[in-house]
Amino acid sequence: AQSVTQPDIHITVSEGASLELRCNYSYGATPYLFWYVQSPGQGLQLLLKYFSGDTLVQGIKGFEAEFKRSQSSFNLRKPSVHWSDAAEYFCAVGVPYSSASKIIFGSGTRLSIRP
Amino acid sequence: GAGVSQSPSNKVTEKGKDVELRCDPISGHTALYWYRQRLGQGLEFLIYFQGNSAPDKSGLPSDRFSAERTGESVSTLTIQRTQQEDSAVYLCASSWTSGSEQYFGPGTRLTVT
Repeated sequence: AQSVTQPDIHITVSEGASLELRCNYSYGATPYLFWYVQSPGQGLQLLLKYFSGDTLVQGIKGFEAEFKRSQSSFNLRKPSVHWSDAAEYFCAVGVPYSSASKIIFGSGTRLSIRP
Repeated sequence: GAGVSQSPSNKVTEKGKDVELRCDPISGHTALYWYRQRLGQGLEFLIYFQGNSAPDKSGLPSDRFSAERTGESVSTLTIQRTQQEDSAVYLCASSWTSGSEQYFGPGTRLTVT
């Protein structure tokens, strides 16, 4: 079964600084990979996804993530954060086209922005 | 088309009462998921429906929890004899197929007093 780990519970960065949120997965093959954001009082929104192909994927709000098979990682990055990026970020892994599979979410990383 | 909808948006109930939460997925989505999110916590998987396959109930915390789905449409999550620890936001999500990206509803905030 697949699993996903987000080792950082809480990260604080200054506005305008770069950001990297870590995500590691465990699965025997290449899974589907996702990043979701949950802003305070808001629902979950898909930031980006990786299915296959180019390992660097671009998402909404200026985010990108890179799939590294050798490290079983799918880290989320943003070159310059804005105060509005303060939110909870969830990495998720799924197994494509398997009726026995489900999406598994990491425990989340809370991002705070320092003015 | 419309996104995933959930009702009610808020539910306050007394301990020991039964509650029923509803989820309307996006039309055509074959997969449907229920999650629980306690305050300040991550997503806790509850149950997963995929087409006509038997649901994956491995996340249901006790036999007080059950869920049904009619074909590839509406799903209801029922919690019997509610307890205070059941207080949480219950999120529903649907996707085109198993493993593809999920679209989340706004959630139902359940408060057990």
